[in-house]
Amino acid sequence: ELKVEQNPLFLSMQEGKNYTIYCNYSTTSDRLYWYRQDPGKSLESLFVLLSNGAVKQEGRLMASLDTKARLSTLHITAAVHDLSATYFCAVYNTNAGKSTFGDGTTLTVKP
Amino acid sequence: GAVVSQHPSWVICKSGTSVKIECRSLDFQATTMFWYRQFPKQSLMLMATSNEGSKATYEQGVEKDKFLINHASLTLSTLTVTSAHPEDSSFYICSARPTPRTSLSSYEQYFGPGTRLTVT
Repeated sequence: ELKVEQNPLFLSMQEGKNYTIYCNYSTTSDRLYWYRQDPGKSLESLFVLLSNGAVKQEGRLMASLDTKARLSTLHITAAVHDLSATYFCAVYNTNAGKSTFGDGTTLTVKP
Repeated sequence: GAVVSQHPSWVICKSGTSVKIECRSLDFQATTMFWYRQFPKQSLMLMATSNEGSKATYEQGVEKDKFLINHASLTLSTLTVTSAHPEDSSFYICSARPTPRTSLSSYEQYFGPGTRLTVT
């Protein structure tokens, strides 16, 4: 059974600071997703990472994937309040044809 | 492109009644749709995978007779919560994976806006 662990689960940071969210998973996968969820809303797709060493960046967010270590990171650069949200990683199980979600990281950016 | 709608966006029903939630892919065809449930401050839990024209595949612990899923066309899947109880109150989210024939990435899942169900 595929297990996905995110840490930290809660993150409070000041504006302007950098931080990294980690997503570890237990079995081989060739596809990993990062999503953002605002309170009361559905998911917004941020990144899909399809290969070892993949790196994608959008604004202050950068995601990377190391399939050998079974690890993905979501790096936040110079955080701003608008980034406050819950971030989920999801790992795709090719054999099962479905994704398993991490528990989510709730990010609060304070002025 | 890649818009998924859900209807209704919220619903309040009495215990013992049934509620139907629709999930539509508006501008693409989806062979596969997924239904998730999310309780407050928790992650998304996959309930079932729905393929057009075939029976849904339910996750372990999800009662298929209680959560009826129908995927009648390449753009519509429905989830019916039968004999709803207060513990079924949750945020239900669907997502759709485009068919390979579309110009969209078949690697992506496009999520609907969710349906908040409250059972009193």
